[in-house]
Amino acid sequence: DAGITQSPRHKVTETGTPVTLRCHQTENHRYMYWYRQDPGHGLRLIHYSYGVKDTDKGEVSDGYSVSRSKTEDFLLTLESATSSQTSVYFCAISAPAQPQHFGDGTRLSIL
Amino acid sequence: SQQGEEDPQALSIQEGENATMNCSYKTSINNLQWYRQNSGRGLVHLILIRSNEREKHSGRLRVTLDTSKKSSSLLITASRAADTASYFCATAPLGDGNNRKLIWGLGTSLAVNP
Repeated sequence: DAGITQSPRHKVTETGTPVTLRCHQTENHRYMYWYRQDPGHGLRLIHYSYGVKDTDKGEVSDGYSVSRSKTEDFLLTLESATSSQTSVYFCAISAPAQPQHFGDGTRLSIL
Repeated sequence: SQQGEEDPQALSIQEGENATMNCSYKTSINNLQWYRQNSGRGLVHLILIRSNEREKHSGRLRVTLDTSKKSSSLLITASRAADTASYFCATAPLGDGNNRKLIWGLGTSLAVNP
């Protein structure tokens, strides 16, 4: 789609393990976002980045950290995964004042 | 916190019919956007309407915005089976001209039956 690749696409892991999700873009867009999507809650912003090494918290940032060392990559880390973090995670990108473009998501199950 | 609320939550129509879904929001906005999500896929941007616009068209899509009622509607005309998807509205709060912290609704699930 808009040059966004999320990896992995599916992951099953155990409670207490660290998990890192990767978002890679080829559009050179300034803004990158991590969302989670859950039934009954819709799409909720976890963290976003407005440039290399510049990030800010979203609505549901507890238990998550992010890093952006290069324009094209935005990593989401669950330091110690919990069952409540089972969800579908979406990465999005955008240029300033433009709509967001989404990847196809990572389905994460924490047992 | 979710600001946008779409209704209906689910809509089932026959191919060729028009589909209308509504979005209400609570605070002043810079713009309102509509997105579509097919099952198992990411969201796709459909149309953006700014707070000083009242109506916008894109192909078979027509979006209206009433800032006095804090509401928007999305009309899909002559629906097709391929329009089957979930539709979400998202608002950019006033002051967020870069659309960084969109506030999302819970979506309307549209089924178009052949």
